[in-house]
Amino acid sequence: SQKIEQNSEALNIQEGKTATLTCNYTNYSPAYLQWYRQDPGRGPVFLLLIRENEKEKRKERLKVTFDTTLKQSLFHITASQPADSATYLCALPGGAGNMLTFGGGTRLMVKP
Amino acid sequence: EAQVTQNPRYLITVTGKKLTVTCSQNMNHEYMSWYRQDPGLGLRQIYYSMNVEVTDKGDVPEGYKVSRKEKRNFPLILESPSPNQTSLYFCASSLLLPQGWRTDTQYFGPGTRLTVL
Repeated sequence: SQKIEQNSEALNIQEGKTATLTCNYTNYSPAYLQWYRQDPGRGPVFLLLIRENEKEKRKERLKVTFDTTLKQSLFHITASQPADSATYLCALPGGAGNMLTFGGGTRLMVKP
Repeated sequence: EAQVTQNPRYLITVTGKKLTVTCSQNMNHEYMSWYRQDPGLGLRQIYYSMNVEVTDKGDVPEGYKVSRKEKRNFPLILESPSPNQTSLYFCASSLLLPQGWRTDTQYFGPGTRLTVL
């Protein structure tokens, strides 16, 4: 069955460093992959979408890579700030119909 | 302002008392869906709708009903709530890409925290 794995342990980093989060998937051949940010008690907010024919995508301090051979996406936040502290979710289309399936998310804590 | 709204935001109810959580979007999106989020289980899709009068089950549809009579509204109905439906619920909407079956970026509502006693 299809499975998406994100590191369930929180990632703690120092302000100014680069945070790297991982999303691995199995039994998928997704046409694209999305990354969302979620703050406690709030709905996820879309950050980036990367398509299967794109190796890398950037948006301001964010960078996403997509390796369809390794079945992995990496999400980088450069020059991290305490305001970047949140849970980050990856999501892939798959399953029945138009379902979008989410990973469990990784919580990022950026310390000043 | 483009948004997805949900009501109520918080609800405490008792087992068996029917309830409806409303969801509305003002972006003319074809696709709408409901998720529940539980600690350790992440976001799981309950139902989704690709357009008016078109709905389908997601991963965890048992105990829930939906309807899509208008494009902007997608209410979630719990006919006989049980304690295991205590959760944080999110409604989301998106456009359908030209390919038809692939959804675009999803916009989420603020969430409804439901407690069933």
